[in-house]
Amino acid sequence: QKEVEQNSGPLSVPEGAIASLNCTYSDRVSQSFFWYRQYSGKSPELIMSIYSNGDKEDGRFTAQLNKASQYVSLLIRDSQPSDSATYLCAVKENTGTASKLTFGTGTRLQVTL
Amino acid sequence: ETGVTQSPTHLIKTRGQQVTLRCSSQSGHNTVSWYQQALGQGPQFIFQYYREEENGRGNFPPRFSGLQFPNYSSELNVNALELDDSALYLCASSLLLQETQYFGPGTRLLVL
Repeated sequence: QKEVEQNSGPLSVPEGAIASLNCTYSDRVSQSFFWYRQYSGKSPELIMSIYSNGDKEDGRFTAQLNKASQYVSLLIRDSQPSDSATYLCAVKENTGTASKLTFGTGTRLQVTL
Repeated sequence: ETGVTQSPTHLIKTRGQQVTLRCSSQSGHNTVSWYQQALGQGPQFIFQYYREEENGRGNFPPRFSGLQFPNYSSELNVNALELDDSALYLCASSLLLQETQYFGPGTRLLVL
């Protein structure tokens, strides 16, 4: 059973601080990794995708991938109250021709004023 | 907005009943995946459809079934509903060879 693990939180950070969200995965052959943001009662919204080791930046968001350690993280700089949500880490698994995402349980982020 | 639509938004059923959920994929996307998200959990893969055929399936019993139509829209059918089927059902569309899946707004199902 391939697994994706996240700390459920809540992770509480003050406005303007850096939020660091972490995720580990069990399948060594995984090649594609995603971060989705989910507001309460809403569906997941894609924030970042990352495929290669290292950092990928998009605005205030930076995804970091370390395949040797089977670890992927998301940094949110200058955190805003509107960033308060659950952040889901997802790993893409190819099973034959199918392409499925395996999700962690999500980390709840609270940005305080 | 991803361009993926789902209907209905909310649904209440009783145990033992059957339900059909619908999804229209984003323009140009030929692959639809369905996920179940229980409260406090991450989404779990139910199955994927490509060119009107089931392309892969997660650990869900046969009472979960689906269809994909020539316009790439899709249905999820659940027979003999159980209380544990209460969840948010998410549809995601993608191009088969493209990495990214884009989610619709979901259908929240409550089984009493």
